[in-house]
Amino acid sequence: EPEVTQTPSHQVTQMGQEVILRCVPISNHLYFYWYRQILGQKVEFLVSFYNNEISEKSEIFDDQFSVERPDGSNFTLKIRSTKLEDSAMYFCASSVDRQAEAFFGQGTRLTVV
Amino acid sequence: QKEVEQDPGPLSVPEGAIVSLNCTYSNSAFQYFMWYRQYSRKGPELLMYTYSSGNKEDGRFTAQVDKSSKYISLFIRDSQPSDSATYLCAMSLRNFNKFYFGSGTKLNVKP
Repeated sequence: EPEVTQTPSHQVTQMGQEVILRCVPISNHLYFYWYRQILGQKVEFLVSFYNNEISEKSEIFDDQFSVERPDGSNFTLKIRSTKLEDSAMYFCASSVDRQAEAFFGQGTRLTVV
Repeated sequence: QKEVEQDPGPLSVPEGAIVSLNCTYSNSAFQYFMWYRQYSRKGPELLMYTYSSGNKEDGRFTAQVDKSSKYISLFIRDSQPSDSATYLCAMSLRNFNKFYFGSGTKLNVKP
């Protein structure tokens, strides 16, 4: 069964460093998302992406965040200068159509020290 | 007022019981309603997806949406220990650009 894959599963980084979280969405999907979940809290929306453009972004998604689809298969989230409060599980999701179900990856656990 | 409210539980039931999980919401513009299951430190796994009001059944799972009351439910029949997980409701506006998640209800099904 097709699935969304994310790498790495766990990333530890020093405060102020840049990190890139990688996702391979399901191959025929066109809509892509990043969400995050701080330990013990709700899953929060970060950004949605379609046709090489950001469709919508949340207040959390400030200038330190960026997304890119560098080729036909990968979808990346870059955090430019990580802060302690960026520590969370980051989930990538994709859907085939705007109003279709979204499927989530297993997540990348980011720990900023 | 929070967009989506969900009782965090934990909810503990014996194996074979019928489980009822619920969410309420404040935004009447929500059109799409989803239930996800999340095991510890894993990604949300889609269980049910419904549009607007009504019922939808899939195996042991039934999703109900009552838009007039801004209330959605997930019923699990013949619950199994493997159903033990956190259940997240999520909903979306018509543009479907993002999902609003509940905080999740932790379910424990005892053998």
